This record gives sequence, C-alpha cells and structure tokens, in this order.
Amino acid sequence: QVQLQESGPGLVKPSQTLSLTCTVSGGSISSGTYYWSWIRQPAGKGLEWIGRIYTTGNTNYNPSLKSRVTISIDTLKNQFSLKLSSVTAADTALYYCARDVYDFFPYTDVWGKGTTVTVSS
Amino acid sequence: DMQMTQSPSSLSASVGDRVTITCRASQSISNYLNWYQQKPGQAPKILIFAASSLQSGVPSRFSGSGSGTDFTLTISSLQPEDFATYYCQQTYITPLTFGGGTKVEIK
Repeated sequence: QVQLQESGPGLVKPSQTLSLTCTVSGGSISSGTYYWSWIRQPAGKGLEWIGRIYTTGNTNYNPSLKSRVTISIDTLKNQFSLKLSSVTAADTALYYCARDVYDFFPYTDVWGKGTTVTVSS
Repeated sequence: DMQMTQSPSSLSASVGDRVTITCRASQSISNYLNWYQQKPGQAPKILIFAASSLQSGVPSRFSGSGSGTDFTLTISSLQPEDFATYYCQQTYITPLTFGGGTKVEIK
C-alpha cells in the first residue's frame, strides 16, 4: 500500500523559500498512471491546489502561485519536492503531498498526513 | 479559474438523517467532479469520483449525482462516523479547484 510522508522545515522566514519533500513508500513513483501533487490548507480553511508533476517531469501549477512555485521529482529517491519562494504569512498552512490517479476521470486517492509550515520572523 | 460553490457551508443533522450537499461549478465540467471527506486532524479521503462512482471501501450510504454544473452528494442515513467536512473538487481543468466545504455537525 502506497504511503506518502512530507518532510521539511516547520518554520520559514518571510521572503525566504519554503522547501518540502514527499517520500513515497510501498510503491514506485514511476509506476502507473499517476500525478504527484501538492495541496495546502490554512488553519480552519479550505483546500488549495498548488500543483502537480508527472513522472516525465511535466508540471501544472496554480496560476495564483505559478511565479513562485517549483515542483520537481527524483525517481531514484522515490521523492518529489515543492519549492515556494518569497513566502509571506499568507503561505502559512498545512501542506499535503498526494497521489492523483490519472485515469479517465482523475482523483486523489492517497494523501500524506500533512506538515504544518509557519511563515514568521 | 473554475469556481466551485458548495452549499450549505454547514448543517446540523441527526444520526439516521438523509443529508444532501450540493456543489455548483461556474462552467460545465461534465462529470469531472470528486467528493472528499475530511475529519479533524486528518487528510481528506476520496468518497466519490467521476460525479457518481463510489470509491472502493466507501459505504454505500454515500452516493453522488449530477453532470455539467450541478452536483449532489447524498448520505442516505447519517452515521456517527460521518460527522466531518465534505469538499467537492473539479478535475476538468487546471488549476484544480475545491469547493469551500460543508461541515456536517451533530444536531
């Protein structure tokens, strides 16, 4: 059974770059028809899609964050990563990594537990 | 961006009640609509994909319907473990977007 685990600093200073890694276990990040995604959720609020990457390296980003976001994949380490630059307090949230089944009708079937990132000096 | 509007934002219901949550897309999204359940302190869990397909392992009291712009999630007989927040999500076009959520509380 595939599991995802986010890791990275829980505190980031304003204007710096937030960096998170998602480690995939129980299966290969390269197998199957999946996108690997990042989603965030500010405390007490709803879900915001950040972006996704396919095993080929093809990416899609949310235009609201596009100029600041980079998602990359390392198939050898079975990991994918998120970088969000020039962070502000508005980027404080619970960050989830997730797997999207990319069948005819896509959906997210596996989620990490999430990691809280606070932007503060 | 495709706007997803859920209603109500919250509701109170009793065990055994039939509960209906609606989700409206700002444009037609065909059947590219998913429903997730999120309990406090947990990640969301997929319930319904492609508007009406029940994810494996999800109880049959959950059902989804709709197409185009209007969708519905129905819980036929609310159980204690169903008290949670429910989100719709469109996957028709990027950026993928979620509804604002519906919190189902105990009456």
